Amino acid sequence: AQSVAQPEDQVNVAEGNPLTVKCTYSVSGNPYLFWYVQYPNRGLQFLLKYITGDNLVKGSYGFEAEFNKSQTSFHLKKPSALVSDSALYFCAVRSTPDSNYQLIWGAGTKLIIKP
Amino acid sequence: SAVISQKPSRDICQRGTSLTIQCQVDSQVTMMFWYRQQPGQSLTLIATANQGSEATYESGFVIDKFPISRPNLTFSTLTVSNMSPEDSSIYLCSGARVAGSNEQFFGPGTRLTVL
Repeated sequence: AQSVAQPEDQVNVAEGNPLTVKCTYSVSGNPYLFWYVQYPNRGLQFLLKYITGDNLVKGSYGFEAEFNKSQTSFHLKKPSALVSDSALYFCAVRSTPDSNYQLIWGAGTKLIIKP
Repeated sequence: SAVISQKPSRDICQRGTSLTIQCQVDSQVTMMFWYRQQPGQSLTLIATANQGSEATYESGFVIDKFPISRPNLTFSTLTVSNMSPEDSSIYLCSGARVAGSNEQFFGPGTRLTVL
């Protein structure tokens, strides 16, 4: 069965420190991988994606993620956390070829950045 | 990217009534989806809204309870029928283009409370 795992319900990081939010996946075929962020009482915002090419992808707000095929992981990272990064983060994957373009979603990780 | 708006942003409804949520995209998208999300939880796909034809529903969701319309490539509605308190949730609309970037864009959501 296809799935996405975000093993941490919550991640706490001090402001200025690097942060990592973990994501692993299991799909048949080649994966398209996505990270989204949800601020309180807001919809989801797209952060970044991996489709093909360079394993390190850069996205909005200084975030980046590294695709690791052997470990089936796509961890989200940022070198220096800001208090404003505090939000709910979702990893999602789509298997290709896939005619219905649906995403498989992780459970979400709450990121708390402390001043 | 695309900008997606939803109306209403929130509502409080009585048991047994129905509510129709509107989703408007500022440009044409190939795919449109409706999700349900409990606050702080992951997303559950309700259905894929198909232009000019019946929506494709996920397991556990039926047309009689969640009728969906999609008359064109920029607009869709979701009705939550005969509501009960268990329908209290956030309802999210998303869109995606088949060609190009692949990511889904989300509306701000509709927060529904059923008394």
